[in-house]
Amino acid sequence: EVQLVESGGVVVQPGGSLRLSCAASGFTFDDYTMHWVRQAPGKGLEWVSLISWDGGSTYYADSVKGRFTISRDNSKNSLYLQMNSLRTEDTALYYCAKDMGPGNNWNYVIDYWGQGTLVTVSS
Amino acid sequence: QSALTQPASVSGSPGQSITISCTGTSSDVGGYNYVSWYQQHPGKAPKLMIYDVSNRPSGVSNRFSGSKSGNTASLTISGLQAEDEADYYCSSYTSSSSDVVFGGGTKLTVL
Repeated sequence: EVQLVESGGVVVQPGGSLRLSCAASGFTFDDYTMHWVRQAPGKGLEWVSLISWDGGSTYYADSVKGRFTISRDNSKNSLYLQMNSLRTEDTALYYCAKDMGPGNNWNYVIDYWGQGTLVTVSS
Repeated sequence: QSALTQPASVSGSPGQSITISCTGTSSDVGGYNYVSWYQQHPGKAPKLMIYDVSNRPSGVSNRFSGSKSGNTASLTISGLQAEDEADYYCSSYTSSSSDVVFGGGTKLTVL
C-alpha cells in the first residue's frame, strides 16, 4: 500500500523559513517523480513543485520560484521542500504527491496523495 | 501560470448525469492529452478519477468518464449518487512553464 506522510508544518512568521518532509513507502521511491501541491484554507489546489525520480530535474510554480527548493533522498525514501522568505499567502495545507509515470516517463498525473501538513505564515 | 477555468458549482439529482467543463489554452488542455480529474471530499486528500483525458484508474467507477474537444476538457458523471457530492479539479501539463496547472475547482451538489 502506497503511503505518503508529510511533516514539518508549523506556524512561522513572515520572512521565516521552514522545511517540510515526506516519508514514502509502499512503492519503489527512486522510480518515481514526486510533487508538492498546496491548498490554501477554503481554496483550490495549486501545484508547487516537482522533482524527477533521480533528482536531476526540478520545476517550480512562478509563485514560489527563487524561494522554495525541492529535494529528495532516495536512500531514505524521503521528499523535502525547503521554504524560505515565507509570505502570508504561502499559508496552506501542503500535500506530498506521487507521479503516475515511472522513470523519465513522468506524465504530470498524481496517483497518490498524502494527507498534508499545515503551514501557517502569520505574525 | 493561469489556472484552468471551471464552473464554480454544478448540481444534479440522484440518477441524473452531469458534466463539468475545464477550459484552457493550446499550451495546456488543447495541446496535450495530459488532462486529469481529481475528486476531493471535505477534509480529505484529492483522489485521481481520470487521467490522460479519458482513462480511469483501477477501482474508479465507470460512471465517471472524461473527454476533450479543442481547449476544453470535460468530466461526466452518470447515474449520480449522493457519495459523488464533492469538489472536482481538473489539471493539465502546460508547455508555457513545463509544469502543471490546476483548475479552480467545481463544487458538485447532489440534490
